[in-house]
Amino acid sequence: AQSVTQLGSHVSVSEGALVLLRCNYSSSVPPYLFWYVQYPNQGLQLLLKYTTGATLVKGINGFEAEFKKSETSFHLTKPSAHMSDAAEYFCAVMNSGYSTLTFGKGTMLLVSP
Amino acid sequence: EPEVTQTPSHQVTQMGQEVILRCVPISNHLYFYWYRQILGQKVEFLVSFYNNEISEKSEIFDDQFSVERPDGSNFTLKIRSTKLEDSAMYFCASNSPGQGAWTEAFFGQGTRLTVV
Repeated sequence: AQSVTQLGSHVSVSEGALVLLRCNYSSSVPPYLFWYVQYPNQGLQLLLKYTTGATLVKGINGFEAEFKKSETSFHLTKPSAHMSDAAEYFCAVMNSGYSTLTFGKGTMLLVSP
Repeated sequence: EPEVTQTPSHQVTQMGQEVILRCVPISNHLYFYWYRQILGQKVEFLVSFYNNEISEKSEIFDDQFSVERPDGSNFTLKIRSTKLEDSAMYFCASNSPGQGAWTEAFFGQGTRLTVV
């Protein structure tokens, strides 16, 4: 069975600071990994995904994530936070049938001026 | 850009009543899903639907839940007799296999169901 752990339900950064949101997963098969973002009163929007190939993946809005098999991690980073990045971020792994997603509990990113 | 649309955005219902949550998936997608997120908890898979039948369901998806694709465009989730614990944000999603790998799931904006 797949599972996802996101460390920290809330992360606070200052505008311009590095953003690091942590995600660790467990999977019985080579994982497909995703980061979704949810802005207030909106749906889940895909930020980036890893399926195969290059382990450093770039997404929208300047975010990137690195798949580290040895650490079973897929942490999300952004060099410089913007106020508009304030949202909830969800890490997810695709199940062994490569159809449904298992989500982490989410991390709320707070950005202060 | 194609998107998944859900209606209504918010529904309040009395305990014991039936509710139907509606979704219009992206038109060329073949797989459809319902997920839910109870306030403060993680997004949980409920059910997947392909070729007019349920392909997978979770333990949450018990006999009070049903799904239907009544007309080739809408995809609905019915909760037969709502309970207080059904209060949650319900997300519809769709995707399709492409070139040997699954495309990412596209999610709707969600329907917030409040059972009182």
